Amino acid sequence: QVQLQESGPRLVESSETMSLTCTVSGYYIRSGYYFGWIRQPPGKGLEWIGAIHHTATAFSSPSLKSRVTISVDTSKNELSLKMNSVTAADTAVYYCARFVGNIFDSWGQGTLVTVSS
Amino acid sequence: QTVVTQEPSFSVSPGGTVTLTCGLSSGSVSTSDYPSWYQQTPGQPPRPLMRNTNERSSGVPNRFSGSILGNRAALTITGAQAEDESEYFCLIYLGGGIWMFGGGTKLTVL
Repeated sequence: QVQLQESGPRLVESSETMSLTCTVSGYYIRSGYYFGWIRQPPGKGLEWIGAIHHTATAFSSPSLKSRVTISVDTSKNELSLKMNSVTAADTAVYYCARFVGNIFDSWGQGTLVTVSS
Repeated sequence: QTVVTQEPSFSVSPGGTVTLTCGLSSGSVSTSDYPSWYQQTPGQPPRPLMRNTNERSSGVPNRFSGSILGNRAALTITGAQAEDESEYFCLIYLGGGIWMFGGGTKLTVL
């Protein structure tokens, strides 16, 4: 059974770079499938940030593309999200999830990242 | 910029039937957009319900069904139960590797 766990700083200063890691267990990323990042500001809806394959093929939301880097480390079975120039609008719960057959079928519990000014 | 639209809220009586829909600000939703649906309760990650328009995820009761109605993707709950009170999100493929969630529908069962 695949499990995903997000980790990283819970508080980031405005204009700085946010870095999150998603550790995957119970499934080898190199086996295939895409893995994605999704965020949810407090009290609001879900936003697709992007997704990456173990081959490092990656896609990002056009609205975030200029600030987001998604990467994968198959040796650690991890994926990462970096977002630069963060503002209060980037305060959200950040989820990583596995994407199989056009659905995010397994999700991490999410981590709340707060951007402080 | 394309926006995925959902009804902000809906209400259904226990045992009743409700259809939530998911559309595009520009154009129609079809099966080729691979609509999927998620259910979320407060404090929890989303739960996958339906992929590729109408394929139920493992463990999802058969009172949930998916379809295309007109130019929108639809999630129908037949015989709603109290435990179905949640927020529901759709996810649509926009092409070029890009996906987008709808704004979500808060469903009340009362």
